[in-house]
Amino acid sequence: EDQVTQSPEALRLQEGESSSLNCSYTVSGLRGLFWYRQDPGKGPEFLFTLYSAGEEKEKERLKATLTKKESFLHITAPKPEDSATYLCAVLSNTGFQKLVFGTGTRLLVSP
Amino acid sequence: EAQVTQNPRYLITVTGKKLTVTCSQNMNHEYMSWYRQDPGLGLRQIYYSMNVEVTDKGDVPEGYKVSRKEKRNFPLILESPSPNQTSLYFCASSLSKAANTEAFFGQGTRLTVV
Repeated sequence: EDQVTQSPEALRLQEGESSSLNCSYTVSGLRGLFWYRQDPGKGPEFLFTLYSAGEEKEKERLKATLTKKESFLHITAPKPEDSATYLCAVLSNTGFQKLVFGTGTRLLVSP
Repeated sequence: EAQVTQNPRYLITVTGKKLTVTCSQNMNHEYMSWYRQDPGLGLRQIYYSMNVEVTDKGDVPEGYKVSRKEKRNFPLILESPSPNQTSLYFCASSLSKAANTEAFFGQGTRLTVV
């Protein structure tokens, strides 16, 4: 069974204090790993897709990386507007088109 | 504007009273799906559809039905809602039927069953 574990559950940073969020996964074969951002009361918003180990993608202060067992979302010099819940999801090679999500990391960036 | 639209946004209903949550996308996407989000459990997939008239169960399909008669619409039906279906529901769509492209989510429907 595909599994996704995100850590930490919650993270509090000062503005400008860089850090990383972790997404560990267990799948029979990875077809894609996705990062989403979710603000309170809203639907998740797409950030990145990673398809193979070694791949990296960047967007503003965010950088996502992928290994065979985990993905990291690095946040460089965060701002208060980066406060949100960050979700990781995987799509596997089981033959079914099912996304499996982790429970997310709640990030709070204080000014 | 590209979007996924769910209705209603909020719904309070009584046990056993059939309800439908509508979902519509304007991006001509192949893949659509429904999720429920519960504290501590994250987003769990209920049903998905790779094309018109093609639907399949996700991880938590019990108590739900779906249909895909048109490409743009993917309603979620609760024939006899129960309190354990109280949750926040999201509809999503993505371009590829393989689901390996970004998903666009609706605004969510907060359902309370009393």
